[in-house]
Amino acid sequence: LAKTTQPISMDSYEGQEVNITCSHNNIATNDYITWYQQFPSQGPRFIIQGYKTKVTNEVASLFIPADRKSSTLSLPRVSLSDTAVYYCLVGGNTGGFKTIFGAGTRLFVKA
Amino acid sequence: DAGVIQSPRHEVTEMGQEVTLRCKPISGHNSLFWYRQTMMRGLELLIYFNNNVPIDDSGMPEDRFSAKMPNASFSTLKIQPSEPRDSAVYFCASSYREGRDQPQHFGDGTRLSIL
Repeated sequence: LAKTTQPISMDSYEGQEVNITCSHNNIATNDYITWYQQFPSQGPRFIIQGYKTKVTNEVASLFIPADRKSSTLSLPRVSLSDTAVYYCLVGGNTGGFKTIFGAGTRLFVKA
Repeated sequence: DAGVIQSPRHEVTEMGQEVTLRCKPISGHNSLFWYRQTMMRGLELLIYFNNNVPIDDSGMPEDRFSAKMPNASFSTLKIQPSEPRDSAVYFCASSYREGRDQPQHFGDGTRLSIL
C-alpha cells in the first residue's frame, strides 16, 4: 500500500487559493488518488479523485504530475466554511484492498 | 437521496455492557465499511463487506468486536463486553462497488463513550 505524506496543518485567509500537496512516492500503476474532507462531528466527504494530469469539479482541482509521485489539491477562493481536515488517499481497484487514512491536513481559514 | 444512516448518534454506557451500532448503507451500494476514529489513532478501517460477505476483518481490534451484514440494507457492529478504551467515533461508509477507485460515502457516525 502506498504511504502518503501531507502537511499536518495549514492556515489561509478567506478568498485565497489553497494548495495542499500530498507525496506518494510508492504509488502503484493501478492506484487512484482520492481526497476527502472532514468537518468536526461529521464523516469524511469525498471531494475529488484522479489518476493522472488534472481533474476539476465544482469544488476543487486536482493536479497530478507525470510521475504521479505527488498530487496537489487546489481549493479556489476558500471561505471560513472550508476549515476542515483534508485527507489524501492512494489506492487501486484490485480486490482485497484496505483503505488507509493518514493524519490528514488541518486547514484553518481565517477572516 | 438518503445517505448512509447510522444509529444511535450518541451512546453512553458502562464498562462491561454490550453495545450495538447500526448502519443502513445507500441503496444500491454493494460495499460497506466500518471505521473507528480517535485522536490518538486517527481513522482506522475495522472491517469491510462486499455483497454482504466480510472480506477483510484484520482491523477488528479483538474478539470482543464483531460485525454482521444480514442483508444489503443493514449492518451491525457489536462490542461485547465494552471497555473504556473502546470510546471513539464509529463511522459506517458504503460504496457502489468494491475498489479503491470507488468513493466512499460516510454516515455521521456514532459517538461512543464507555464509562
